[in-house]
Amino acid sequence: QVQLVESGGGVVQPGRSLRLSCAAAGFTFSNYAMHWVRQAPGRGLEWVALILYDGSNKYYADSVKGRFTISRDNSKNTLYLQMNSLRAEDTAVYYCVRDFVVLWGQGTLVTVSS
Amino acid sequence: QSVLTQPPSVSGAPGQRVTISCTGSSSNIGAGYGVNWYQQLPGTAPKVLIHANNNRPSGVPDRFSASKSGTSASLAITGLQAEDEADYYCQSYDTSRMVFGGGTKLTVL
Repeated sequence: QVQLVESGGGVVQPGRSLRLSCAAAGFTFSNYAMHWVRQAPGRGLEWVALILYDGSNKYYADSVKGRFTISRDNSKNTLYLQMNSLRAEDTAVYYCVRDFVVLWGQGTLVTVSS
Repeated sequence: QSVLTQPPSVSGAPGQRVTISCTGSSSNIGAGYGVNWYQQLPGTAPKVLIHANNNRPSGVPDRFSASKSGTSASLAITGLQAEDEADYYCQSYDTSRMVFGGGTKLTVL
């Protein structure tokens, strides 16, 4: 079954770190660029980061640049998002999204609160 | 402030036709990037309604259609049904990033 499954969300204190994972299944993961997109409670969709199919290039939204790192392990069909120096405004559901013929995961909730 | 502009809300009675506009610029929709449309029900992930401007994934009713012209795109829903009440988002690309509209809440009267 073609799907993306995120994990790793939870409650974390401001300034701490968290790593999200996204497991891909049912398609050739290494052929696709991948994104992370987030949605704060009651708000719209916000693009976070992009990594090309082979990991050669990465791009970030200004709001997370220098704090978040996107990476992938094509041997494990898994996408990652390392989030450091978390802030209250990073609280959101985080989705991994396949590029080109778009495919979304179900999302994982990250809550940054003391 | 979203890169793509959508009306905050639209409404229509059952059976009617509604359209949702999505206005971009020469650096995104107008640059030739494709437009995707999503439907989002409360508490769920966005569902792909239309990809690459006007292509419906299998399982999406043909009541949903979309078009693109210049720097804008639009989603049309015909034969409106109660279950169509949801938030709708347009999405395109701007160089190396995804860009989104702010979302449109569709109310079925």
